[in-house]
Amino acid sequence: EVQLVQSGAEVKKPGESLKISCKGSGYSFTNYWIDWVRQMPGKGLEWMGIIYPGDSDTRYSPSFQGQVTISADKSISTAYLQWSSLKASDTAMYYCARREMATKTVDSWGQGTLVTVSS
Amino acid sequence: DIQMTQSPSSVSASVGDRVTITCRASQGISSWLAWYQQKPGKAPKLLIYSASSLQSGVSSRFSGSGSGTDFTLTIRGLQPEDSATYYCQQANSFPTWTFGQGTKVEIK
Repeated sequence: EVQLVQSGAEVKKPGESLKISCKGSGYSFTNYWIDWVRQMPGKGLEWMGIIYPGDSDTRYSPSFQGQVTISADKSISTAYLQWSSLKASDTAMYYCARREMATKTVDSWGQGTLVTVSS
Repeated sequence: DIQMTQSPSSVSASVGDRVTITCRASQGISSWLAWYQQKPGKAPKLLIYSASSLQSGVSSRFSGSGSGTDFTLTIRGLQPEDSATYYCQQANSFPTWTFGQGTKVEIK
């Protein structure tokens, strides 16, 4: 069974750094792109970027370029989303998702990681 | 960038009703359109891909149509468990996805 398991909820202060994770299992992690999607409280879905763990090819939405860093460690089948200096506006639920290339959709989602940034 | 405009933003309907949600792309996206259902506190769930293909395991009460710029999600015989927010998503140009703003479906 394909599974994406994300790290737990985080509460941080503005200016702090953070790295959240998404561990894949049940499939060849290096052969599928992983997307990151943001959902701010009470709002819709926003595509942030994508990584191919096989070679770490990474692409960003222009809206998130320079604001976050997406990475992956294929040796432990884990993708990451990180911030160097959090803002209150980064408060959101973050989902990782496995992209199915034939249909260009998601065929498996992580459970989400809630990030709360508050002083 | 391709923009996706969904309507309505919310709809209230009775059990058994037919509900139609539309999604318009700012430029042609062929049939690269998916529909997701999201319930509170849960990850989205894929319902329809390639505009009209029903994802495995999804109720046949859901159907999708359209191509180019105009797309429709139809829920026939609305059930209480269909209460959720529905999003369209375009995937015409790799790697970028764009989601519609969502439609909240409530049961009267």
